[in-house]
Order: sequence, then C-alpha cells, then structure tokens
Amino acid sequence: EAGVVQSPRYKIIEKKQPVAFWCNPISGHNTLYWYLQNLGQGPELLIRYENEEAVDDSQLPKDRFSAERLKGVDSTLKIQPAELGDSAVYLCASSFVANPPQGNEQFFGPGTRLTVL
Amino acid sequence: LAKTTQPISMDSYEGQEVNITCSHNNIATNDYITWYQQFPSQGPRFIIQGYKTKVTNEVASLFIPADRKSSTLSLPRVSLSDTAVYYCLVGASLTGGGNKLTFGTGTQLKVEL
Repeated sequence: EAGVVQSPRYKIIEKKQPVAFWCNPISGHNTLYWYLQNLGQGPELLIRYENEEAVDDSQLPKDRFSAERLKGVDSTLKIQPAELGDSAVYLCASSFVANPPQGNEQFFGPGTRLTVL
Repeated sequence: LAKTTQPISMDSYEGQEVNITCSHNNIATNDYITWYQQFPSQGPRFIIQGYKTKVTNEVASLFIPADRKSSTLSLPRVSLSDTAVYYCLVGASLTGGGNKLTFGTGTQLKVEL
C-alpha cells in the first residue's frame, strides 16, 4: 500500500513568489494534517482536516497561507506571498480516526523542503 | 496546548535498553500519548501509543503512571539504526475535547558501538 505522497520534494523560490504543496493521503484516511518543521524543532500543526472540513486551523497564518482538501481526499497548501521566514519543511500526514476515537496513528509523508531566497 | 518536556539528547551503546521520559503535566482526559521516531530528511514514524498503564509492541514499550502526567518510552537492546530524534506527542484525535496535538522539541538519541 502506498504511503502519504507529497510533491514537490524540494522547492526553491524567491521571496514574494507564490508556492503550492500537494498531498495525497493514504486511501481511506479521513483525517489530514499539514505541519511545518523548522530545523531542530518538532513539527508544528498548521491545519487539520476531518474529511473535507478544516477542524483546526488556528495555527495557520491566514494572511498568506491557505489550504484546501477537495472531496476529502487530496490537499493543497499554498503560500502567497512567501517570506524568507517560511523556509522550512512542510509535512503532510494522514490518519483514520474512528468515532469514538481509539487513538490516532498518523502516517507522515517525506515532506517538502522549501527554501525562500 | 499540552506542553511536553523531554531531554534534549541521550547517548547509549548498542545492546542497551534506553528509556526516554516525557513530562506532560496538563494532559487532558481525552488525550492519548504517542511517540514518534524521525530520521533526517524523513517524516516522523509512529512507534507506540497509549492511554494508561503499559503498552508493548514489537519495537517498544510505553509506561504511563496512574496520574498520566508523564510517560516513558522504553527501547530494548538498541542498535545503531535507532539513532534518531524521538518525539512525545500528547493530544486528542477529535475536536470537542482534549488538547491540541502538539509535538515537543524531541530527544536526539545517539547510539554508539
């Protein structure tokens, strides 16, 4: 079974340019997460989707970041315009969360390393 | 947020048992405790998850005391390939209760011969 797929793996852009990241979660997973990870730090949650609904986007800088999860499957994270401080690894994860919950194992993709010059 | 505290780093030798403790004083009733492993240039990988007492799988054990304010990941007989960053994650999987899912700063485990 394929894992979480992310593309691109690497992206280099100049500041003020837009950039988009794509994530295809594991088939059947109803929950999708976008994280940002800076060097030497743990992942920080940007947004969490349950099916197509964004249930937690409190950490998403909405002035420049946006995300969507069409039909509750694939997801796209966009930054417009990018700033120097956005350089980081952007991780996508998915999980299947039962109701009532029995815990939550997240499966992570390899991430997209963004460099803003 | 459920703040977690872990040692920044630990050193060990092959064949030894390694125990990494995570403190999470404000854990909520709905929160689970999950540990992940991360190698450079890869996403984190699930190791083990628990709610209370002890959980064991083929790679690790997780010990959770009755008050759930801490947890200990136990790796038996580590090898060089266990050199990685280990994260303790505390949070709930659904909205409406519990803390937000939060990674700590992680523990860099270095295993030597």
